[in-house]
Amino acid sequence: EVQLVESGGGLVQPGGSLRLSCAASGFPFSSYRMTWVRQTPGKGLECVANINQDGGEKNYVDSVKGRFSISRDNAKNSLYLQMNSLRAEDTAVYYCARVETESYGSGSYWWLDPWGQGTQVTVSS
Amino acid sequence: SYEVTQPPSVSVSPGQTARITCSADALAKQYAYWYQQRPGQAPVLVIFKDTERPSGIPERFSGSGSGTTVTLTINGVQAEDEADYYCQSADTIGSYQGVFGGGTKLTVL
Repeated sequence: EVQLVESGGGLVQPGGSLRLSCAASGFPFSSYRMTWVRQTPGKGLECVANINQDGGEKNYVDSVKGRFSISRDNAKNSLYLQMNSLRAEDTAVYYCARVETESYGSGSYWWLDPWGQGTQVTVSS
Repeated sequence: SYEVTQPPSVSVSPGQTARITCSADALAKQYAYWYQQRPGQAPVLVIFKDTERPSGIPERFSGSGSGTTVTLTINGVQAEDEADYYCQSADTIGSYQGVFGGGTKLTVL
């Protein structure tokens, strides 16, 4: 069974740091791009960061650039999100998800399947 | 970036057909993807590339698209289909940073 399990969330003060982890099982982790998506009541779902199969390509939403860092350890089947200089607006449930892709010509169609169960991050003093 | 627009809510009686729309200029050139999120659970993919259904998703779920609008249709709605449904538009060349709609709450009366 394909499974993604997040951990590492919690309550942190503004300006603090957290490291989220996502343990993958049931599929060849090193063959897939992975992503972190967050969900807030106000802004809904937002793709925060993604990383390609060997970790050499990383993309971030503008609001987290310079503060968050995505990484992976293929030997441990694990995905990470290091979050620094946290702000109140980073409060959200953070999901990791596998990126399914289908190449065509010069591009790729992609979608998220499956998702983990999520971990709550609360930034508050 | 651009906006993806969905109605906030749709209500139907059990056994009826629910239709949830999603609009965005980008959908004229990109596929749409639909996710179901039941209360307290993670999103689950129910439709990809406008019309394709993943294995394990009931046949009553279908998708269609025309121009800048796509539609998720649920035939013979069941109580278990009550959930939030999110549409996503996904770029095909570049950053894998797709945009989600605000979600539609499907209420089964």
